[in-house]
Amino acid sequence: DAGVTQSPTHLIKTRGQQVTLRCSPKSGHDTVSWYQQALGQGPQFIFQYYEEEERQRGNFPDRFSGHQFPNYSSELNVNALLLGDSALYLCASSHYRTGKPYEQYFGPGTRLTVT
Amino acid sequence: SQQGEEDPQALSIQEGENATMNCSYKTSINNLQWYRQNSGRGLVHLILIRSNEREKHSGRLRVTLDTSKKSSSLLITASRAADTASYFCATDTMYGNNRLAFGKGNQVVVIP
Repeated sequence: DAGVTQSPTHLIKTRGQQVTLRCSPKSGHDTVSWYQQALGQGPQFIFQYYEEEERQRGNFPDRFSGHQFPNYSSELNVNALLLGDSALYLCASSHYRTGKPYEQYFGPGTRLTVT
Repeated sequence: SQQGEEDPQALSIQEGENATMNCSYKTSINNLQWYRQNSGRGLVHLILIRSNEREKHSGRLRVTLDTSKKSSSLLITASRAADTASYFCATDTMYGNNRLAFGKGNQVVVIP
């Protein structure tokens, strides 16, 4: 049973560019949340997708957008990259309908470096 | 914004000793969770304690929750070198909607 997978593992981009990160949830999970973790900090909630809609959003600018596909996989897009966007981006999945929404599984993350 | 705040930030102990970490939070919660992270990679869920629970055990882990003080502690007993990692507490909102607010984390080094 595959856990949460993310791609790519590492990414280097230049300021002003756009980036897309991908996440496949754990088998059987239907909810995907994205977090940003700056170096030496705890993860910060970006947004959460369920039934292909953004259900909750953290304190992040509109440059951060996402999408969830019918197979529950998700993308995180960041436009007009800033140096401060350099971070580890974590995807977490959970199953909303089983009554256990609290059980989240995290992927290994994508390390984004903006130069 | 992050509301969990762990204390102490860094801990270095000998193998076999116990490690205790504390976490405080500011708002009402549905549950509090502890995670481990090795070398800046993915987070591993360790234990969840609900707001109506006061103590929970899982193997060598013991978590306590004091909602009146808005604080929690994580105890790792008989530590092993493999326990070397960063440990984060995360609170879920009172609606239990999996929107986690993480603290800054504790770095624990277990010396063999």
